[in-house]
Amino acid sequence: GENVEQHPSTLSVQEGDSAVIKCTYSDSASNYFPWYKQELGKRPQLIIDIRSNVGEKKDQRIAVTLNKTAKHFSLHITETQPEDSAVYFCAADHSGYSTLTFGKGTMLLVSP
Amino acid sequence: KAGVTQTPRYLIKTRGQQVTLSCSPISGHRSVSWYQQTPGQGLQFLFEYFSETQRNKGNFPGRFSGRQFSNSRSEMNVSTLELGDSALYLCASSTGTASGNTIYFGEGSWLTVV
Repeated sequence: GENVEQHPSTLSVQEGDSAVIKCTYSDSASNYFPWYKQELGKRPQLIIDIRSNVGEKKDQRIAVTLNKTAKHFSLHITETQPEDSAVYFCAADHSGYSTLTFGKGTMLLVSP
Repeated sequence: KAGVTQTPRYLIKTRGQQVTLSCSPISGHRSVSWYQQTPGQGLQFLFEYFSETQRNKGNFPGRFSGRQFSNSRSEMNVSTLELGDSALYLCASSTGTASGNTIYFGEGSWLTVV
């Protein structure tokens, strides 16, 4: 089955800095890669996603890049703010059946 | 448009009991999937239903089961509860009609087994 590795497990940055979280996947059939943000006690919320026919996607301060050959994808957050502090999960869907395999998560802490 | 609704939000059960959790997907969504979230194992896929049929199943014991009704609402059941079943159970919905459908999560049901 699919396996998703996520690094780092924790990331501390100063407000205004950039943050990068990296994920690798094992199944070359995976074709959909969402990123979720989960605040303490809340549900995971989709922040950005990318499909395998696209190499990069941006939404304001957030961007995701995908390298299919290397089987890795990354989340980039620029001009970080304290409200970006949360746990971020990457995921991959290889089944085509709305089935996600998640990374272990990255706890991002943005200090004012 | 209402989001994914899960009930109950919080519950406490005793070892050996069974529990049923309910999920109502976003209107128009026919795919419902369930995930277990624990601090140690993270987010793990349980199963996915589409139009009342289980299309995919994760690596969980047979004590974990689910079903979907004709109105797309879904339930999952855990029998003979163990302490390790304490977790946040998340339901997610999508249209389920093509690969790469956006998947939306509910607020989850917090299960504590004592």
